[in-house]
Amino acid sequence: GAVVSQHPSRVICKSGTSVKIECRSLDFQATTMFWYRQFPKQSLMLMATSNEGSKATYEQGVEKDKFLINHASLTLSTLTVTSAHPEDSSFYICSAPGTGATLGYGYTFGSGTRLTVV
Amino acid sequence: GENVEQHPSTLSVQEGDSAVIKCTYSDSASNYFPWYKQELGKRPQLIIDIRSNVGEKKDQRIAVTLNKTAKHFSLHITETQPEDSAVYFCAASIYNQGGKLIFGQGTELSVKP
Repeated sequence: GAVVSQHPSRVICKSGTSVKIECRSLDFQATTMFWYRQFPKQSLMLMATSNEGSKATYEQGVEKDKFLINHASLTLSTLTVTSAHPEDSSFYICSAPGTGATLGYGYTFGSGTRLTVV
Repeated sequence: GENVEQHPSTLSVQEGDSAVIKCTYSDSASNYFPWYKQELGKRPQLIIDIRSNVGEKKDQRIAVTLNKTAKHFSLHITETQPEDSAVYFCAASIYNQGGKLIFGQGTELSVKP
């Protein structure tokens, strides 16, 4: 089935530095990738939608200059958290609409990245 | 945009009892409604989904019902087992129009032996 590989799975960085998270679709072409953030004991909140070859679309309240999204190819989307601060510590996860359980519907999720900013 | 409300936030049942989690959505154009189970620090795992052209779907102990008129859908788990204990999320999307998947707030289900 469809697989989205997400790296790194865990990262600890110092406050003020930048961190890049990658999501690769391994056996299908992902023209769209959704990026979510999940704080402890909360839901998955959609941050932005990346589309191959065009600018990302950000949800209301998400700083586009802080969370840089690039979708340079049909198999790779990246999220860069710039000038990270402790409040950016969270679980980040990507998802691509792709082959799923119901005749092509469904979403394939990456395994998530636990970001800790110290 | 779409807004999904999920209730209850926590649910505790005895092993063998049934559990019901309810969600409402705001965008009548939504046509795909998946349910996910998520363990701590892991990706959401699809347990069942339903499209808008179907009113009910069942898979062994799990069933989902959809009421398009009222814009709500529910997850039913029968004969609950301790291993069903997890956080469950409902979600909704307009799958054939870009497909943003919007999640409910989540329900922490605890099944007591």
